[in-house]
Amino acid sequence: SQQGEEDPQALSIQEGENATMNCSYKTSINNLQWYRQNSGRGLVHLILIRSNEREKHSGRLRVTLDTSKKSSSLLITASRAADTASYFCATVKPGTYKYIFGTGTRLKVLA
Amino acid sequence: NAGVTQTPKFQVLKTGQSMTLQCAQDMNHNSMYWYRQDPGMGLRLIYYSASEGTTDKGEVPNGYNVSRLNKREFSLRLESAAPSQTSVYFCASSDPGAFFGPGTRLTVL
Repeated sequence: SQQGEEDPQALSIQEGENATMNCSYKTSINNLQWYRQNSGRGLVHLILIRSNEREKHSGRLRVTLDTSKKSSSLLITASRAADTASYFCATVKPGTYKYIFGTGTRLKVLA
Repeated sequence: NAGVTQTPKFQVLKTGQSMTLQCAQDMNHNSMYWYRQDPGMGLRLIYYSASEGTTDKGEVPNGYNVSRLNKREFSLRLESAAPSQTSVYFCASSDPGAFFGPGTRLTVL
């Protein structure tokens, strides 16, 4: 079964709005990462947050991690049409090198 | 610095044929991975290699074999292809964030 599950499965917003997507996972983790995938392309690493961190920023991206709830959120502020993509979370269990991905959130930003 | 490269980009096989997907990375990463992605789904881990000389099964290893030839190269072999193996295959290496190749689109008829 998937370690990470993103919510919502699909999201459609207007350019300039903020987009929030969530990821829940089942077991303890070493770190959690977010990736973007444009249609037909490979995944691009966006941001990594370690299990002892609660929040991390990178440009217009803000990631939070709540290990007590086993959940993370990715916020994209002031969205652009170019942000249209699928977003995946991936978790790594302590003591392993296995990256387990969720099923993704398909984000569509309308110009 | 090419990152992660995969060959071929596209492949069509008949049921029962075999083939090897090649992957190489030039970032000196220890860990490498093979994933498959089916339409509308996330990535499922087939095999991974934490370091040169070691390989481990992921979530969906059946029907596949791997070889970590050296630190740079990690190949995936389908011994007897089946239609259920039609998918897009991604290779990745990590540091610890994962860097992905462009993918191989495989169709098994």
